[in-house]
Amino acid sequence: QQQVKQSPQSLIVQKGGISIINCAYENTAFDYFPWYQQFPGKGPALLIAIRPDVSEKKEGRFTISFNKSAKQFSLHIMDSQPGDSATYFCAANAGGTSYGKLTFGQGTILTVHP
Amino acid sequence: DSGVTQTPKHLITATGQRVTLRCSPRSGDLSVYWYQQSLDQGLQFLIQYYNGEERAKGNILERFSAQQFPDLHSELNLSSLELGDSALYFCASSAGGRAGDTQYFGPGTRLTVL
Repeated sequence: QQQVKQSPQSLIVQKGGISIINCAYENTAFDYFPWYQQFPGKGPALLIAIRPDVSEKKEGRFTISFNKSAKQFSLHIMDSQPGDSATYFCAANAGGTSYGKLTFGQGTILTVHP
Repeated sequence: DSGVTQTPKHLITATGQRVTLRCSPRSGDLSVYWYQQSLDQGLQFLIQYYNGEERAKGNILERFSAQQFPDLHSELNLSSLELGDSALYFCASSAGGRAGDTQYFGPGTRLTVL
C-alpha cells in the first residue's frame, strides 16, 4: 500500500513537444506529492509539488495534474527542451508519523531530441 | 549546488567490511534523510533524523545504522557488507522535518562492494 507506480519507464520527445509522466498510488493517507528531477551524476532536485486540495499546479513549463478520486497524478512538461533530458521521479508522503519520509516511483528517463 | 555535502564520493570495499558515509546538511537545516538508490529498488527511504533524534524509519537493514550529531552532521554506518549493498547513497536535508518541507539532496556516495 506504500507503493507509487510510475509510467512510462522511458520517454522520447521532440523539442517543443509535450512530455507526460504518470503516477498512481494506493495509500489514501498520502497528502503531499512532489516531483524530482535528476541529472546524471547529481542528486534529485525538487521540481514542483502539489497537495490534494488542488487539481492542478503550474510553474513555468511544468504542470502537475492531480485526480484524487482516481488516486493518480501526472507531470506535464510543455515546450520540452533538450535541457529537460533527465530522470524524473514522482513521490508521495503521508505526513503525520511519516514525517518527511518520501515514497518514490521508479523513475522515468526523459530524452528530448533537438 | 544544493548546499548538502557528502563524503566520500566513491567507496570501494569488500564483502563483510564496514563503512561510514558522512553528510553535512545545508546551513540551518535541522533534518537529515538517508536514501539508497539502486537499479532494481529505485530510490528507497532509509531513515530521517531531526535535531539529533530519529524521526522516521524506512526499510533500513539491521546491518545499517545512522546518527545525527550535535553539529547536525550525520553518518550512515553500513556493516557486514554484501554485494547487494552496492548502490548510490544520498543524504538530503530540510529546514524542518515534516511533509511539505523541501528536501535538498546531496551529490551522493557511490558504494561498490566487491
